Amino acid sequence: KAGVTQTPRYLIKTRGQQVTLSCSPISGHRSVSWYQQTPGQGLQFLFEYFSETQRNKGNFPGRFSGRQFSNSRSEMNVSTLELGDSALYLCASSQDRATYEQYFGPGTRLTVT
Amino acid sequence: AQSVTQLGSHVSVSEGALVLLRCNYSSSVPPYLFWYVQYPNQGLQLLLKYTSAATLVKGINGFEAEFKKSETSFHLTKPSAHMSDAAEYFCAVSPNSGYSTLTFGKGTMLLVSP
Repeated sequence: KAGVTQTPRYLIKTRGQQVTLSCSPISGHRSVSWYQQTPGQGLQFLFEYFSETQRNKGNFPGRFSGRQFSNSRSEMNVSTLELGDSALYLCASSQDRATYEQYFGPGTRLTVT
Repeated sequence: AQSVTQLGSHVSVSEGALVLLRCNYSSSVPPYLFWYVQYPNQGLQLLLKYTSAATLVKGINGFEAEFKKSETSFHLTKPSAHMSDAAEYFCAVSPNSGYSTLTFGKGTMLLVSP
């Protein structure tokens, strides 16, 4: 079974721009979660989608948004980029409930200059 | 709210020595607990999980962890370290019902010397 894939793997953007990151979950997995990883804050939960609906959201500003498509693929968007948005963005998929472990993709490294 | 504390941002061991990485959680009810490993420039790989079955959990690569409710701990151990174990390790907690949200500790970097 193919793992979680994320595209692109690396991205460089300028302050003020917007960016869209993509995540394809493991086949059959319906839940997709996004996390931001930075040296200072560690791993922080952004949001989780299940069946195209956002089920849970972390404590991030409204510039961070996401969506999920009918095939469970997910995208996250960050508008008006700030230097502090530079991070590794990780996507994870799971079958459904919290009892199931989450499988992580390799991440997208976003650098904002 | 749930939280996770990992004691020691860096742990150094010699090859062949015991590995012990500490994790304590805070939760009003017993949660689900996980250990993940992250190698440089990679995502997180699940090592093992506790979901209220056996309190001693065995994972991949020879790692195991014991859930101790009285101590609210879920420490990760491995009897004999290998050079390939050098990586960053994260303890995470999830509610035992509801949504798939992981709360992570700050991570512990394991350094293995020959």
